[in-house]
Amino acid sequence: DAGVTQSPTHLIKTRGQQVTLRCSPKSGHDTVSWYQQALGQGPQFIFQYYEEEERQRGNFPDRFSGHQFPNYSSELNVNALLLGDSALYLCASSAAGYQETQYFGPGTRLLVL
Amino acid sequence: QQQVKQSPQSLIVQKGGISIINCAYENTAFDYFPWYQQFPGKGPALLIAIRPDVSEKKEGRFTISFNKSAKQFSLHIMDSQPGDSATYFCAAYLGSSNTGKLIFGQGTTLQVKP
Repeated sequence: DAGVTQSPTHLIKTRGQQVTLRCSPKSGHDTVSWYQQALGQGPQFIFQYYEEEERQRGNFPDRFSGHQFPNYSSELNVNALLLGDSALYLCASSAAGYQETQYFGPGTRLLVL
Repeated sequence: QQQVKQSPQSLIVQKGGISIINCAYENTAFDYFPWYQQFPGKGPALLIAIRPDVSEKKEGRFTISFNKSAKQFSLHIMDSQPGDSATYFCAAYLGSSNTGKLIFGQGTTLQVKP
């Protein structure tokens, strides 16, 4: 049983560029949440997708957007990258009715130069 | 009011000792409190979790103690091993209408000395 997978593992971009990160949830899960983890900090909630809709959003600007596909996989898009967007981006999956029990993927390390 | 405060920031314990990490919260709407373990370069792994109607939960060497009136909860790692050396995060879940989010503490870096 595959766990949560994310791609790519690492990414280097320059300021102003756009980036797309991908996530496949754990088998049997239909809810995907995205978190940003800055170095030395706890993860910060970006948003959550369920039934292909954004259900809840954290305190992040509109430059951060997402999508969920019919197979429950998800994308996180960040436009107009800033140096401060450098972080580990984590995807977590959960099952409907049990959204609190979230399993995290290995993350995508984004470096913005 | 949505913060979760975690202490200590770092902890050094001898092999075989007890590691204790504490967290405090303000928002009584939180209804699920998980602990995650994170190794360098990896994503957080769910370790153990508790709901506010339970005062203690034990899984192997890991125990959560929960004090609802004090709005505090803690993780106890018994017989700590060098392999337990990692960063530990407490979290609290804020949910409503089939959606919700985890709010994390700042993390505790645990080093278990052989």
